[in-house]
Amino acid sequence: AQTVTQSQPEMSVQEAETVTLSCTYDTSESDYYLFWYKQPPSRQMILVIRQEAYKQQNATENRFSVNFQKAAKSFSLKISDSQLGDAAMYFCAAYSGNTPLVFGKGTRLSVIA
Amino acid sequence: DAGVTQSPTHLIKTRGQQVTLRCSPKSGHDTVSWYQQALGQGPQFIFQYYEEEERQRGNFPDRFSGHQFPNYSSELNVNALLLGDSALYLCASTPWTPNYGYTFGSGTRLTVV
Repeated sequence: AQTVTQSQPEMSVQEAETVTLSCTYDTSESDYYLFWYKQPPSRQMILVIRQEAYKQQNATENRFSVNFQKAAKSFSLKISDSQLGDAAMYFCAAYSGNTPLVFGKGTRLSVIA
Repeated sequence: DAGVTQSPTHLIKTRGQQVTLRCSPKSGHDTVSWYQQALGQGPQFIFQYYEEEERQRGNFPDRFSGHQFPNYSSELNVNALLLGDSALYLCASTPWTPNYGYTFGSGTRLTVV
């Protein structure tokens, strides 16, 4: 079974600053995928970024990037130049071919103007 | 291109009643998964449907059942509602190999009184 742990229930960041959200996971699979999802008050889960476990290069999507440490089973999300619209719940999630998408408990990010 | 649509958006039911939630997947997706998200928590996997059959199931009682239709749309049924069933129910669709992530609907907020 896969497990995903997010140890930061809440985080805050000043507008235009950088923040890093932490995530660790555990899996016995060799082929798996990791994701960060954003859930604003509108409730819809929005895919922010994905990482394929067999790729060593860290994924980047505009202001969002990850630090994927496979040996440590760590997958943190860095948000640069934070904007007010980044305020939301952020969920780390993992998937492999044998298991469904599994989520962490989430981190609530506040952006201070 | 319509994404995942869920209906209804909100629902209030009385303890002991039965409820049916509906989901239409994103165009081109043939696999539907259902999640339960309690307030302040991460989504918990209920089950997944592909080719009109339940393929995987999470740790939920038999009161939770589902169905997938030939057009890939899906229903989630919950019998004998308990107060603890109050939650946001999310539907997600994917191709059978969801390596690019799940696409979520905005959810149905179920309140059991």
